[in-house]
Amino acid sequence: DAGVTQSPTHLIKTRGQQVTLRCSPKSGHDTVSWYQQALGQGPQFIFQYYEEEERQRGNFPDRFSGHQFPNYSSELNVNALLLGDSALYLCASSLAAGPYSGNTIYFGEGSWLTVV
Amino acid sequence: ILNVEQSPQSLHVQEGDSTNFTCSFPSSNFYALHWYRWETAKSPEALFVMTLNGDEKKKGRISATLNTKEGYSYLYIKGSQPEDSATYLCAFESGGSYIPTFGRGTSLIVHP
Repeated sequence: DAGVTQSPTHLIKTRGQQVTLRCSPKSGHDTVSWYQQALGQGPQFIFQYYEEEERQRGNFPDRFSGHQFPNYSSELNVNALLLGDSALYLCASSLAAGPYSGNTIYFGEGSWLTVV
Repeated sequence: ILNVEQSPQSLHVQEGDSTNFTCSFPSSNFYALHWYRWETAKSPEALFVMTLNGDEKKKGRISATLNTKEGYSYLYIKGSQPEDSATYLCAFESGGSYIPTFGRGTSLIVHP
């Protein structure tokens, strides 16, 4: 059973460019969340998708957007990249029905983004 | 903004030592507390999800306790081994948002 897979694993972008990160959830999971982990910080919640809609959003600007596809896979898009967007981006999946609470969350290995 | 604090920030122990870390979180509107182990170049691995005050969970040499009234959880590792070296993250889930808020983690290094 494949766990959460993310691509690409590493990438380098220039300030002002746009980036798309991809995530395939664990088999059977319908909820995908994205987190940003900057150096020295814990993972910060960006947003969560369920049934192809953004269900909750953290304190991130509109430059961060996402999408969930009918097969539950998801994309994270970041426009107008800033140096401060350099971080590890983690995708997490879970199975949720109703409130997303108390369920085990499975993470991917992350996508390292460097903005130069 | 929910405040989840972990201490210590880092810890070096010798093989065979037992150790413990602390996760502090808001004592109100508690829903769940998660513990993760995160080894370098791997994905965070779920250790425990704890939902009830007084909960104690155990997985091999690792155990965790939960006190929701005072807002803390302890993670214990008995007889640390080099393969226990990792960052241990806790995440607090409130009844309001149901989105886990992570601490910064405790980095454990076990020396042979």
